[in-house]
Amino acid sequence: GAGVSQSPRYKVAKRGQDVALRCDPISGHVSLFWYQQALGQGPEFLTYFQNEAQLDKSGLPSDRFFAERPEGSVSTLKIQRTQQEDSAVYLCASSPLGRGSDTQYFGPGTRLTVL
Amino acid sequence: AQSVTQLDSHVSVSEGTPVLLRCNYSSSYSPSLFWYVQHPNKGLQLLLKYTSAATLVKGINGFEAEFKKSETSFHLTKPSAHMSDAAEYFCVVSDWGSGGGADGLTFGKGTHLIIQP
Repeated sequence: GAGVSQSPRYKVAKRGQDVALRCDPISGHVSLFWYQQALGQGPEFLTYFQNEAQLDKSGLPSDRFFAERPEGSVSTLKIQRTQQEDSAVYLCASSPLGRGSDTQYFGPGTRLTVL
Repeated sequence: AQSVTQLDSHVSVSEGTPVLLRCNYSSSYSPSLFWYVQHPNKGLQLLLKYTSAATLVKGINGFEAEFKKSETSFHLTKPSAHMSDAAEYFCVVSDWGSGGGADGLTFGKGTHLIIQP
């Protein structure tokens, strides 16, 4: 079956530009997560959706980061006025239910480079 | 708050010899623990998970891990390394749903496993 997909796979932006990263979760998965993985580091939690509701955005590093999942399926992570420190791989994951013991299925990530 | 410490940033073993990747965790609640593997230019893949059932957990590709509450450890082992095991390994904790903690997973910094021929 289809896994989690993300687009684009690579994005180069000039400092100050806005970017939008897309995530298509596994069909029917209730929960959707965004993570940021800096070079040589483990992924760090950004935000969590249960269906269309954003229940936790405690990991978003600044108000330049915004995420939405309006119909409870596809999600978009938007970064406004990108800065060099935003350069990272952005990972999306989905899980069937809303439980901490659920396996999260990860997409391949979007590598963002801010020049 | 939950946290994970992977004790080795790099581990190098010869093909056919045992693998040990060490992980210690901190959690105020009853956590779920995971090991994920990340091959170059590929997505994160679940190796195994512990969710308060058997303390010895078997995963894919011959890996297993033992949950030791008294030592707050969840070390990953494999009896015989294969060249295809070369990758980055992440120990992960979640106490979401146990009564506290953030909704996301907390990852360790990763251990880079090198397999010598």
